[in-house]
Amino acid sequence: AQTVTQSQPEMSVQEAETVTLSCTYDTSESNYYLFWYKQPPSRQMILVIRQEAYKQQNATENRFSVNFQKAAKSFSLKISDSQLGDTAMYFCAFMKRMDSNYQLIWGAGTKLIIKP
Amino acid sequence: AAGVIQSPRHLIKEKRETATLKCYPIPRHDTVYWYQQGPGQDPQFLISFYEKMQSDKGSIPDRFSAQQFSDYHSELNMSSLELGDSALYFCASSLASGRADTDTQYFGPGTRLTVL
Repeated sequence: AQTVTQSQPEMSVQEAETVTLSCTYDTSESNYYLFWYKQPPSRQMILVIRQEAYKQQNATENRFSVNFQKAAKSFSLKISDSQLGDTAMYFCAFMKRMDSNYQLIWGAGTKLIIKP
Repeated sequence: AAGVIQSPRHLIKEKRETATLKCYPIPRHDTVYWYQQGPGQDPQFLISFYEKMQSDKGSIPDRFSAQQFSDYHSELNMSSLELGDSALYFCASSLASGRADTDTQYFGPGTRLTVL
Protein backbone atom coordinates (compact mmCIF):
# COMPACT_ATOMS: atom_id res chain seq x y z
CA ALA A 1 0.00 0.00 0.00
CA GLN A 2 1.15 3.50 -0.76
CA THR A 3 1.96 5.76 2.17
CA VAL A 4 3.08 9.37 2.40
CA THR A 5 5.09 10.70 5.35
CA GLN A 6 5.67 14.31 6.28
CA SER A 7 8.02 14.29 9.25
CA GLN A 8 7.80 17.98 10.13
CA PRO A 9 4.49 18.79 11.88
CA GLU A 10 5.33 22.50 12.08
CA MET A 11 7.99 24.88 10.81
CA SER A 12 8.51 28.61 11.05
CA VAL A 13 10.88 30.93 9.21
CA GLN A 14 11.38 34.64 8.78
CA GLU A 15 9.93 36.41 5.80
CA ALA A 16 12.23 36.32 2.73
CA GLU A 17 14.04 33.19 3.92
CA THR A 18 14.09 29.91 2.05
CA VAL A 19 12.39 26.91 3.59
CA THR A 20 12.27 23.25 2.61
CA LEU A 21 9.43 20.92 3.54
CA SER A 22 10.16 17.21 3.44
CA CYS A 23 8.03 14.37 2.14
CA THR A 24 8.78 10.71 1.67
CA TYR A 25 6.53 8.08 0.19
CA ASP A 26 6.40 4.38 -0.32
CA THR A 27 5.17 2.67 -3.47
CA SER A 28 5.97 -0.27 -5.68
CA GLU A 29 4.71 1.50 -8.78
CA SER A 30 7.15 2.80 -11.34
CA ASN A 31 5.09 5.60 -12.77
CA TYR A 32 3.07 7.90 -10.58
CA TYR A 33 2.43 11.53 -9.77
CA LEU A 34 3.22 13.61 -6.74
CA PHE A 35 1.70 16.87 -5.60
CA TRP A 36 2.05 19.60 -3.05
CA TYR A 37 -1.15 21.35 -1.98
CA LYS A 38 -1.35 24.28 0.40
CA GLN A 39 -4.21 25.07 2.74
CA PRO A 40 -4.08 28.62 4.14
CA PRO A 41 -6.18 29.72 7.13
CA SER A 42 -9.14 30.15 4.76
CA ARG A 43 -8.92 26.33 4.40
CA GLN A 44 -9.13 26.50 0.62
CA MET A 45 -7.08 23.60 -0.83
CA ILE A 46 -4.75 25.03 -3.48
CA LEU A 47 -2.51 23.13 -5.86
CA VAL A 48 1.09 24.32 -5.53
CA ILE A 49 3.10 22.04 -7.78
CA ARG A 50 3.07 18.58 -9.35
CA GLN A 51 5.74 16.13 -10.47
CA GLU A 52 5.48 13.16 -12.79
CA ALA A 53 7.72 10.34 -11.67
CA TYR A 54 9.03 9.53 -15.15
CA LYS A 55 10.31 13.08 -15.56
CA GLN A 56 13.79 13.51 -14.15
CA GLN A 57 13.62 17.29 -14.23
CA ASN A 58 12.39 18.84 -11.00
CA ALA A 59 9.19 20.84 -11.33
CA THR A 60 9.28 24.59 -10.68
CA GLU A 61 6.48 27.13 -10.27
CA ASN A 62 7.81 30.62 -9.60
CA ARG A 63 9.16 30.60 -6.01
CA PHE A 64 8.19 26.98 -5.48
CA SER A 65 10.37 24.08 -6.60
CA VAL A 66 10.73 20.44 -5.74
CA ASN A 67 13.66 18.15 -5.15
CA PHE A 68 12.44 14.81 -6.46
CA GLN A 69 14.68 11.87 -5.62
CA LYS A 70 12.95 8.83 -7.11
CA ALA A 71 15.36 6.20 -5.81
CA ALA A 72 15.10 7.61 -2.30
CA LYS A 73 11.34 8.13 -2.69
CA SER A 74 11.71 11.69 -1.53
CA PHE A 75 9.76 14.72 -2.73
CA SER A 76 10.66 17.90 -0.88
CA LEU A 77 9.22 21.36 -1.52
CA LYS A 78 11.44 24.42 -1.48
CA ILE A 79 9.92 27.85 -1.06
CA SER A 80 12.27 30.70 -1.92
CA ASP A 81 11.90 34.29 -0.75
CA SER A 82 9.07 33.25 1.56
CA GLN A 83 6.17 35.65 1.96
CA LEU A 84 3.61 36.14 4.72
CA GLY A 85 0.96 34.75 2.38
CA ASP A 86 2.83 31.44 2.28
CA THR A 87 1.66 30.76 5.82
CA ALA A 88 -0.43 27.61 5.45
CA MET A 89 -0.68 23.90 6.01
CA TYR A 90 1.20 22.10 3.25
CA PHE A 91 0.14 18.62 2.20
CA CYS A 92 2.22 16.23 0.13
CA ALA A 93 0.11 13.80 -1.89
CA PHE A 94 0.74 10.72 -4.02
CA MET A 95 -1.65 10.08 -6.88
CA LYS A 96 -2.58 6.44 -7.12
CA ARG A 97 -4.13 5.02 -10.25
CA MET A 98 -7.48 3.31 -9.72
CA ASP A 99 -9.70 1.56 -12.26
CA SER A 100 -11.15 4.60 -13.93
CA ASN A 101 -9.56 7.54 -12.17
CA TYR A 102 -6.98 8.51 -9.59
CA GLN A 103 -7.00 8.68 -5.83
CA LEU A 104 -4.83 10.97 -3.72
CA ILE A 105 -2.94 9.51 -0.79
CA TRP A 106 -2.17 12.34 1.63
CA GLY A 107 0.56 13.05 4.12
CA ALA A 108 -0.37 14.41 7.54
CA GLY A 109 0.67 17.93 6.57
CA THR A 110 3.27 20.46 7.69
CA LYS A 111 2.12 23.71 9.24
CA LEU A 112 4.34 26.49 7.89
CA ILE A 113 4.42 29.86 9.62
CA ILE A 114 6.14 32.81 7.96
CA LYS A 115 7.10 35.43 10.54
CA PRO A 116 7.39 39.13 9.65
CA ALA B 1 -10.41 30.59 -15.09
CA ALA B 2 -13.52 28.92 -13.74
CA GLY B 3 -13.05 26.95 -10.55
CA VAL B 4 -14.96 24.30 -8.67
CA ILE B 5 -18.07 25.70 -7.03
CA GLN B 6 -19.53 24.31 -3.86
CA SER B 7 -22.73 25.26 -2.12
CA PRO B 8 -23.57 26.07 0.50
CA ARG B 9 -20.33 27.36 1.96
CA HIS B 10 -21.57 26.98 5.52
CA LEU B 11 -24.29 24.74 6.90
CA ILE B 12 -25.57 24.25 10.41
CA LYS B 13 -27.76 21.26 11.17
CA GLU B 14 -29.15 19.51 14.21
CA LYS B 15 -28.41 15.88 15.04
CA ARG B 16 -30.48 13.39 13.04
CA GLU B 17 -31.25 15.96 10.36
CA THR B 18 -30.31 15.59 6.69
CA ALA B 19 -28.03 17.75 4.57
CA THR B 20 -27.32 18.05 0.87
CA LEU B 21 -24.04 19.44 -0.39
CA LYS B 22 -23.64 20.46 -4.01
CA CYS B 23 -20.59 20.57 -6.24
CA TYR B 24 -20.22 22.10 -9.69
CA PRO B 25 -16.98 20.94 -11.35
CA ILE B 26 -14.74 22.96 -13.60
CA PRO B 27 -16.33 23.07 -17.09
CA ARG B 28 -15.43 20.00 -19.17
CA HIS B 29 -14.23 18.06 -16.14
CA ASP B 30 -15.86 14.64 -16.03
CA THR B 31 -14.67 13.34 -12.66
CA VAL B 32 -15.75 14.49 -9.22
CA TYR B 33 -14.28 13.53 -5.86
CA TRP B 34 -15.67 14.12 -2.36
CA TYR B 35 -13.46 14.48 0.71
CA GLN B 36 -14.10 15.03 4.40
CA GLN B 37 -11.55 16.96 6.47
CA GLY B 38 -11.74 17.19 10.24
CA PRO B 39 -9.83 19.86 12.18
CA GLY B 40 -6.08 19.32 11.97
CA GLN B 41 -6.45 16.31 9.71
CA ASP B 42 -5.66 15.51 6.11
CA PRO B 43 -8.59 15.06 3.74
CA GLN B 44 -10.29 11.67 3.84
CA PHE B 45 -11.56 10.38 0.52
CA LEU B 46 -15.26 9.57 0.51
CA ILE B 47 -16.35 8.76 -3.02
CA SER B 48 -15.74 9.62 -6.66
CA PHE B 49 -17.68 9.66 -9.91
CA TYR B 50 -16.56 9.41 -13.50
CA GLU B 51 -18.97 10.13 -16.31
CA LYS B 52 -21.92 9.99 -13.92
CA MET B 53 -21.03 6.56 -12.59
CA GLN B 54 -19.57 5.85 -9.18
CA SER B 55 -15.94 4.99 -9.80
CA ASP B 56 -14.39 4.54 -6.40
CA LYS B 57 -15.54 4.41 -2.79
CA GLY B 58 -13.59 5.35 0.28
CA SER B 59 -14.56 5.80 3.90
CA ILE B 60 -18.07 7.03 3.20
CA PRO B 61 -20.61 6.10 5.90
CA ASP B 62 -23.70 4.18 4.84
CA ARG B 63 -25.75 7.21 5.97
CA PHE B 64 -24.21 9.19 3.13
CA SER B 65 -24.96 8.83 -0.55
CA ALA B 66 -23.90 10.74 -3.61
CA GLN B 67 -24.52 10.98 -7.30
CA GLN B 68 -23.32 12.79 -10.38
CA PHE B 69 -25.90 14.25 -12.70
CA SER B 70 -26.06 14.63 -16.48
CA ASP B 71 -24.55 18.11 -16.28
CA TYR B 72 -21.68 16.61 -14.22
CA HIS B 73 -22.57 18.39 -11.02
CA SER B 74 -22.62 16.19 -7.96
CA GLU B 75 -24.55 16.10 -4.72
CA LEU B 76 -23.58 14.52 -1.42
CA ASN B 77 -26.60 13.56 0.66
CA MET B 78 -26.07 13.06 4.36
CA SER B 79 -28.77 11.63 6.60
CA SER B 80 -29.12 10.99 10.34
CA LEU B 81 -26.39 13.52 10.99
CA GLU B 82 -24.13 12.94 13.97
CA LEU B 83 -21.92 15.34 15.89
CA GLY B 84 -18.89 13.60 14.39
CA ASP B 85 -19.99 14.59 10.89
CA SER B 86 -18.99 18.18 11.64
CA ALA B 87 -16.15 18.82 9.21
CA LEU B 88 -15.09 20.60 6.06
CA TYR B 89 -16.35 18.80 2.97
CA PHE B 90 -14.38 19.30 -0.21
CA CYS B 91 -15.32 18.54 -3.74
CA ALA B 92 -12.58 18.24 -6.35
CA SER B 93 -12.81 17.77 -10.09
CA SER B 94 -10.52 16.55 -12.85
CA LEU B 95 -10.55 15.53 -16.48
CA ALA B 96 -9.80 11.83 -16.81
CA SER B 97 -7.19 11.29 -19.46
CA GLY B 98 -4.38 9.22 -17.99
CA ARG B 99 -2.14 12.29 -17.84
CA ALA B 100 -1.18 14.05 -14.64
CA ASP B 101 -1.80 17.50 -16.01
CA THR B 102 -5.48 16.81 -16.67
CA ASP B 103 -6.07 14.16 -14.00
CA THR B 104 -4.87 16.67 -11.42
CA GLN B 105 -7.58 17.31 -8.88
CA TYR B 106 -8.68 20.90 -8.36
CA PHE B 107 -10.54 21.63 -5.18
CA GLY B 108 -13.54 23.77 -4.42
CA PRO B 109 -13.66 26.11 -1.43
CA GLY B 110 -15.37 23.50 0.73
CA THR B 111 -18.60 23.38 2.69
CA ARG B 112 -18.19 23.77 6.43
CA LEU B 113 -20.81 21.58 8.10
CA THR B 114 -21.56 22.03 11.77
CA VAL B 115 -23.84 19.52 13.49
CA LEU B 116 -25.28 20.69 16.81
